[in-house]
Amino acid sequence: AQRVTQPEKLLSVFKGAPVELKCNYSYSGSPELFWYVQYSRQRLQLLLRHISRESIKGFTADLNKGETSFHLKKPFAQEEDSAMYYCALSTNTGGFKTIFGAGTRLFVKA
Amino acid sequence: GAGVSQTPSNKVTEKGKYVELRCDPISGHTALYWYRQSLGQGPEFLIYFQGTGAADDSGLPNDRFFAVRPEGSVSTLKIQRTERGDSAVYLCASSPYEGLAGGHIQYFGAGTRLSVL
Repeated sequence: AQRVTQPEKLLSVFKGAPVELKCNYSYSGSPELFWYVQYSRQRLQLLLRHISRESIKGFTADLNKGETSFHLKKPFAQEEDSAMYYCALSTNTGGFKTIFGAGTRLFVKA
Repeated sequence: GAGVSQTPSNKVTEKGKYVELRCDPISGHTALYWYRQSLGQGPEFLIYFQGTGAADDSGLPNDRFFAVRPEGSVSTLKIQRTERGDSAVYLCASSPYEGLAGGHIQYFGAGTRLSVL
C-alpha cells in the first residue's frame, strides 16, 4: 500500500538556521513526489515537485529511491517560511491517486 | 476568478441528513480530485476524475459517499445519511493533464468545512 510518513509534527528553528523537513514514502512503483505548503489563511499550494528538479524559495528536495525519502531542505530559514508543509506521493499507473503525509508545521523564530 | 471555487465554504447539518458539496475547477483542467482533511491530518484522497469519469474512487470510505462530474467540469460530492465522523474540511483540486510523464500539479480550493451535529 502507498504511504507517506512525515515523522515531525512540529519543527521550530531560528531565522538563518538550516532546516530539513523529513519525508519517507512506501510505494512499489515509480512515484511522483511533491511538497505542498499552506501558509496561514491561504490555500494549499505546490512548493516543488521532484520531476522538475528545481529550487523554489530557496527550498530543494532530492528523491532518494534507496532510502525512499524526499526530504525538503533550505540552508537559511526565513520567518516567512513558517507554514504547514505536506509531502505527497502520486501513483502514475492508471489513475493518479495522491497520498499526503500528515504534515509538518515549520515555525521560524526571529 | 481563475482559481478553484468550492461552495459552500461552511456547511452545518444534522446527523442523518444529505449534503452536496460543489467544486468549480480551473477552466480547461481535465483532472479533478476530492480530499477530506480532518484536524491535524493531511488531505485524505477520496476520488479522482479524468474528464467525466471517475478514474480512481478507491478513497471513498463507504457507499454513503458519491461524486459526479457529468460534463467534465463542475463536480459535486454527495454524502448521504451524514454521521458525526464525516465532519471535516473537504478539499477539491484540479489539474491540467500533462500525460504520464508529467507530475500532476494540483491547484486547491479553499475547502468546505462540514460540521455534522
